[in-house]
Amino acid sequence: GAGVSQSPSNKVTEKGKDVELRCDPISGHTALYWYRQRLGQGLEFLIYFQGNSAPDKSGLPSDRFSAERTGESVSTLTIQRTQQEDSAVYLCASSFSGVGGTEAFFGQGTRLTVV
Amino acid sequence: AQSVTQPDIHITVSEGASLELRCNYSYGATPYLFWYVQSPGQGLQLLLKYFSGDTLVQGIKGFEAEFKRSQSSFNLRKPSVHWSDAAEYFCAVASGGGSQGNLIFGKGTKLSVKP
Repeated sequence: GAGVSQSPSNKVTEKGKDVELRCDPISGHTALYWYRQRLGQGLEFLIYFQGNSAPDKSGLPSDRFSAERTGESVSTLTIQRTQQEDSAVYLCASSFSGVGGTEAFFGQGTRLTVV
Repeated sequence: AQSVTQPDIHITVSEGASLELRCNYSYGATPYLFWYVQSPGQGLQLLLKYFSGDTLVQGIKGFEAEFKRSQSSFNLRKPSVHWSDAAEYFCAVASGGGSQGNLIFGKGTKLSVKP
């Protein structure tokens, strides 16, 4: 596609429910990143995919968070039993890994509100 | 481990004045360095990047940054700030691409512009 696409753009959920956030990277980009941005804060790294594997998932805050990627394309970030502190904008980025290829392009994000 | 420090949380400059936003990184080898801008309600946009070669890099919107290995710095500059430059600016570091292409961001510097 023309850019990184994330859906939904906004999600309001009740505390304790599970949510799935979707990211469609730019076609051909093998690297995919998930970040969390709480209100007024910087970008908090969550997980990084190279192809379908995740060499670095050190940023996932708890076992309630998981992510997968299939077909070296779409990625889904799942948050189970959501808590109010999960409220944030979740940003996805992709890049074409290769020589000098780590320039990342960002989606518009999914704003998650847990009530 | 890689890290990025942006010492200034918030900076206010007058329109037309010069600007310098500080960024210090920690990384064992030659890093790939980036500056992103996030305008209110907008996604992250790449301003400029340094991979190798000339240590003074030019970006969009009249911004430039200088890589100084001896100081582990990659400060962002603009000679004359415009009101539309008010935004949040993020410095990021990546390892050398390929399977190690993780991106780590600083906490950001919020720029306000006085008329």
